[in-house]
Amino acid sequence: ELKVEQNPLFLSMQEGKNYTIYCNYSTTSDRLYWYRQDPGKSLESLFVLLSNGAVKQEGRLMASLDTKARLSTLHITAAVHDLSATYFCAVDTGDMRFGAGTRLTVKP
Amino acid sequence: DSGVTQTPKHLITATGQRVTLRCSPRSGDLSVYWYQQSLDQGLQFLIQYYNGEERAKGNILERFSAQQFPDLHSELNLSSLELGDSALYFCASSVRGHRETDSGNTIYFGEGSWLTVV
Repeated sequence: ELKVEQNPLFLSMQEGKNYTIYCNYSTTSDRLYWYRQDPGKSLESLFVLLSNGAVKQEGRLMASLDTKARLSTLHITAAVHDLSATYFCAVDTGDMRFGAGTRLTVKP
Repeated sequence: DSGVTQTPKHLITATGQRVTLRCSPRSGDLSVYWYQQSLDQGLQFLIQYYNGEERAKGNILERFSAQQFPDLHSELNLSSLELGDSALYFCASSVRGHRETDSGNTIYFGEGSWLTVV
C-alpha cells in the first residue's frame, strides 16, 4: 500500500528563519502536490510538481521533486507569521493520497 | 472559493443514526473524492468516483457508502454512526480520473461538512 510520510509533523519556527519540510512516498510517481490548510478551513492547492527535478516557487515557499529518491521538499525562506498553517503533500497514483501534514507555527 | 459545494456545513446527530453528506463538484469536473479528517487519523482517503463510476476505494468503512449521480453530484452516506465517526468530511473534485494529461490533476476541496456524533 502506498505510504506518504511527512516530517516533521510539527514545526515551530522563528520569523525570518529558513526550514524544509520533507515528503517521502513509497511508490513510483512523478506527480506530487502540496496543499495548505488553515485551522478549520479547507485545503488550498499550492504547488503541482509533474516531473523529476521540477521546482516551483511562490513567494517564500519553494517546492521540488526528486522522483528517483521518491522525495519532495517544501522549503520556507525567511518565514513570516502568515505562513502558519498545516502543509500537506499528496501523491497521485490514480487516486490522491495525502501525508499526515506538517503543522507549522511561525513565532515573532 | 474553490467551486466545490458541500452541504450541510455542520451536522450533529446521535449514535446509531444515519446521515447523508452532499457534494457538488466544480463545473466541468468529472471526478469526485471523499476524505475524512479527524485529529487522530489525519486526512484519510475514502473513495473516488469518475463520471458516475467508482474509481478507487480507500479506508472507507462498510457502514459508509457513496455514489455519484448522472448530474455528477455525489453523496456520502454514513450509517450506524459511532462517536468515532465525528470528523470533518471533505469532498474534492478534479477534471479527470485518469493520468493521461500532462497538466496534473489538482483536486479542489470544498469547505467540508463537520459531523459531530453525540
